[in-house]
Amino acid sequence: EAQVTQNPRYLITVTGKKLTVTCSQNMNHEYMSWYRQDPGLGLRQIYYSMNVEVTDKGDVPEGYKVSRKEKRNFPLILESPSPNQTSLYFCASSFSNFGELFFGEGSRLTVL
Amino acid sequence: TQLLEQSPQFLSIQEGENLTVYCNSSSVFSSLQWYRQEPGEGPVLLVTVVTGGEVKKLKRLTFQFGDARKDSSLHITAAQPGDTGLYLCPSTDSWGKLQFGAGTQVVVTP
Repeated sequence: EAQVTQNPRYLITVTGKKLTVTCSQNMNHEYMSWYRQDPGLGLRQIYYSMNVEVTDKGDVPEGYKVSRKEKRNFPLILESPSPNQTSLYFCASSFSNFGELFFGEGSRLTVL
Repeated sequence: TQLLEQSPQFLSIQEGENLTVYCNSSSVFSSLQWYRQEPGEGPVLLVTVVTGGEVKKLKRLTFQFGDARKDSSLHITAAQPGDTGLYLCPSTDSWGKLQFGAGTQVVVTP
């Protein structure tokens, strides 16, 4: 089954404790991206990757890092999480930046 | 930077009524996609329109792409509770950056 898998789905952590949200897709997509969704603000792009070893900042990259060492994986790293990073996070993939985006189920992160 | 505006921000209607939501951009869309996000889930693609003036129908949903490719509308006929969701029309640039905007929240009550 074609899918985008995110882990963990839910996480409560404390300020400053490094965490990684994994994202994996099995569709051989070149384009992958991360979004955060906050009430009233819609989906905002954090980082995107057009292909392996190529990553670029979206609209809200501060406080986040990503890597794209393999085509299927695109982890989101919060080196020192802060409460303002409490949000619902989505990973998505597509054949290209103009193609249909396939989203993961979301990861709800709470930083205390 | 492409400015994206969706309207209205919120729409609450009764089952059986019709509704229209709009997507407007400050610049031309190369192509335009409409997504619907249901509560607790990721957005799902409804349609992609490419040609100015294009009209696509998906059962009770009618999508129209403006002649100048800077605006689009989504019309739902005889709305059902299953149409409830957040409707989004992202813009994308040649370098891969996507903007979703706040979307239109539609609530259809039985």
